[in-house]
Amino acid sequence: NAGVTQTPKFQVLKTGQSMTLQCAQDMNHEYMSWYRQDPGMGLRLIHYSVGAGITDQGEVPNGYNVSRSTTEDFPLRLLSAAPSQTSVYFCASSYRDSNTGELFFGEGSRLTVL
Amino acid sequence: SQQGEEDPQALSIQEGENATMNCSYKTSINNLQWYRQNSGRGLVHLILIRSNEREKHSGRLRVTLDTSKKSSSLLITASRAADTASYFCATIQGNNRLAFGKGNQVVVIP
Repeated sequence: NAGVTQTPKFQVLKTGQSMTLQCAQDMNHEYMSWYRQDPGMGLRLIHYSVGAGITDQGEVPNGYNVSRSTTEDFPLRLLSAAPSQTSVYFCASSYRDSNTGELFFGEGSRLTVL
Repeated sequence: SQQGEEDPQALSIQEGENATMNCSYKTSINNLQWYRQNSGRGLVHLILIRSNEREKHSGRLRVTLDTSKKSSSLLITASRAADTASYFCATIQGNNRLAFGKGNQVVVIP
């Protein structure tokens, strides 16, 4: 099993450009989420999904869109990139049972917005 | 506000020594988790302690939980150079929403 796969690993954008960060998992996890990690800020939740067709906002959702058309995929879209979105993005998934809640993380996507 | 704040933020120790880091949280929890992040990599789950547990062991890891003080500690015994990483605590907010602390950076000097 590949686990959680994120692409691309690195990306440089100009302000105003759009792009999609891809996330796929092969563990049949219902729950998927996107975090961003910034120095001194820890990880902050952007959006999450508890199943196909269901998404919700996290702590820092502005400037990002998500969709969940399949169990496996959870893409994160930046419609008009801003320098403040320069960060490392992590996708994570888990089974829906919150009593376990162990998250499986991808290796991250490092985004720079100029 | 973000749940989970580790203290101290950075720790440098000699190989073979023990490393202890703390985490505090603000609301009631079902469980608390610790994760490790090696430089440039994703987070990896280390250990989970449930709210009705006070201590849990996993190999060289020992986690304690004090729900009255809303705090947890992670102890790594007999540290190795490979333990050099950042360590995060995390608590579930609801709907599987994990909130992470800012992390402890641990450097183990060979």
